[in-house]
Amino acid sequence: AQRVTQPEKLLSVFKGAPVELKCNYSYSGSPELFWYVQYSRQRLQLLLRHISRESIKGFTADLNKGETSFHLKKPFAQEEDSAMYYCALRGGGFKTIFGAGTRLFVKA
Amino acid sequence: GAGVSQSPRYKVAKRGQDVALRCDPISGHVSLFWYQQALGQGPEFLTYFQNEAQLDKSGLPSDRFFAERPEGSVSTLKIQRTQQEDSAVYLCASSPRWDRGLGEQYFGPGTRLTVT
Repeated sequence: AQRVTQPEKLLSVFKGAPVELKCNYSYSGSPELFWYVQYSRQRLQLLLRHISRESIKGFTADLNKGETSFHLKKPFAQEEDSAMYYCALRGGGFKTIFGAGTRLFVKA
Repeated sequence: GAGVSQSPRYKVAKRGQDVALRCDPISGHVSLFWYQQALGQGPEFLTYFQNEAQLDKSGLPSDRFFAERPEGSVSTLKIQRTQQEDSAVYLCASSPRWDRGLGEQYFGPGTRLTVT
């Protein structure tokens, strides 16, 4: 079965500190993996996807097939990074599976 | 340009009532998705349209839920005989195509349904 697990509901860090939001998945094939972000009072939007191998707003995520993980990292958190972050997986079909989300709070 | 829009933004229904939720995707987008998001959870897939064809409805929780996209643009999600467990935010998303590697979905603001 396809599953996405985000073990932390809330992550609180100080501004300038590194941040890592964890995501583990369960899928037997080669999935597409995404991170979506929802800022306060805004709609859900794509942050990055593993196939692009890009850095967006200083965030990166590496797909680790051995550990079935796709953790989101940023070396220096900013206050404007405070938001809800969702890891998502798409297998071979049309369905996208989302994790329960992690709320990141960056303290001044 | 205009993004995905949904209406109404808020809906309160008495248990047993029927409701209809509308989604206007980005013009020209082939793919359209509906999700249900319960409080404190991530979006949960309901159904997928490619143009007017409903290719996946595996996430619809019961036969009280019905979705359509008759002309391949606007979509309506209908819930019959609403129950309290239907209370959630219903999200619509569209995508310009559906090729592997181009799976970005553009989300609407959602409709918050409260069943009393």
